[in-house]
Amino acid sequence: NAGVMQNPRHLVRRRGQEARLRCSPMKGHSHVYWYRQLPEEGLKFMVYLQKENIIDESGMPKERFSAEFPKEGPSILRIQQVVRGDSAAYFCASSPDRGAEAFFGQGTRLTVV
Amino acid sequence: AQRVTQPEKLLSVFKGAPVELKCNYSYSGSPELFWYVQYSRQRLQLLLRHISRESIKGFTADLNKGETSFHLKKPFAQEEDSAMYYCALSGSNYGQNFVFGPGTRLSVLP
Repeated sequence: NAGVMQNPRHLVRRRGQEARLRCSPMKGHSHVYWYRQLPEEGLKFMVYLQKENIIDESGMPKERFSAEFPKEGPSILRIQQVVRGDSAAYFCASSPDRGAEAFFGQGTRLTVV
Repeated sequence: AQRVTQPEKLLSVFKGAPVELKCNYSYSGSPELFWYVQYSRQRLQLLLRHISRESIKGFTADLNKGETSFHLKKPFAQEEDSAMYYCALSGSNYGQNFVFGPGTRLSVLP
């Protein structure tokens, strides 16, 4: 089992461009969580998804951010029209069930220039 | 609503001293509590969970439902324990999120 895979590891975007962050959960895991970590700060929950469903998106900004976890393929966190304040590390975690341990990816470091 | 608090943003101790990282939570059901650690430039990894009741790297944590706490303790801190520590809560009910506290940065001084 390869673990949770996130790509790209580093992503540079100019202001106004779109950023697409991918997360492949561990095999057999149907629960995916996205978190944002700003420099020198802790993890901030963004969204919780199960296959094809958004369960909790209370941490997502209302505009420009969206997430999906299709039946086939990785989970995608999409940020449209990026701004400098979006620069952060974005972490994905997956778990096999509610209440079970969550396994983390290595994160995608987004830099908006 | 689920909530996890860690009152200390930064905790500095000397090598060999005891360390306690505080964690309090609010949850209406029976929670699953975890401690995660993030060493420099590495991904978050599970340190321990309350149901296993085991000691990892000398760390232990006891769930106190009366005080809604899950403090992390180690009797003798080592320099390699320096890292970011996150307390996390997950619920087994549908829709319950995996929520993390803000984290405590532990710095063990020589």
